[in-house]
Amino acid sequence: AQSVTQLDSQVPVFEEAPVELRCNYSSSVSVYLFWYVQYPNQGLQLLLKYLSGSTLVKGINGFEAEFNKSQTSFHLRKPSVHISDTAEYFCAVSGRGSQGNLIFGKGTKLSVKP
Amino acid sequence: DADVTQTPRNRITKTGKRIMLECSQTKGHDRMYWYRQDPGLGLRLIYYSFDVKDINKGEISDGYSVSRQAQAKFSLSLESAIPNQTALYFCATSDPGQYNEQFFGPGTRLTVL
Repeated sequence: AQSVTQLDSQVPVFEEAPVELRCNYSSSVSVYLFWYVQYPNQGLQLLLKYLSGSTLVKGINGFEAEFNKSQTSFHLRKPSVHISDTAEYFCAVSGRGSQGNLIFGKGTKLSVKP
Repeated sequence: DADVTQTPRNRITKTGKRIMLECSQTKGHDRMYWYRQDPGLGLRLIYYSFDVKDINKGEISDGYSVSRQAQAKFSLSLESAIPNQTALYFCATSDPGQYNEQFFGPGTRLTVL
């Protein structure tokens, strides 16, 4: 079985500052990892995913994440945020070869202030 | 047009009423899911279906039922709604050949008074 912990429930940051949203997971098998974003009053859309290969994954809107197997982490980063990045971000994990279910973290609300 | 659609988008109902939420997809995916989202709790899986003949309970299935009418349609029913079922409900789809990535509908906001 897998589990996901998002270490911060809320992250306030000023516009143009860098941001890191933290995600740790546990699993007894190899995993696929995902970050989804939910803008206000919308559904979830995929930001990026780690399947295999390079541990640094680039996604949409300038976000990137690094898979660290030894620390079982998949932290999301952006070097300079915009007001439009204000949203809730969800980390999710799925075991390889599993039946396909995603396990979601509880979410991190990113608030970008001018 | 959206690949995953949900109807209704908003619904207010009363305790004890039966209500159905519908999900349709044009992605051609075999797998479909229903989640509920509550503030601070993330997304929790209610039911999932890997094909028309395969229905499985998720983490929080009590008080809910589902029907997979076709590959493209997956409905969630609340037989007798109660206030703690007030939440945002999402439908999602996936293709087993796509590394378990899921594609989400826009959500249905349900309020039970």
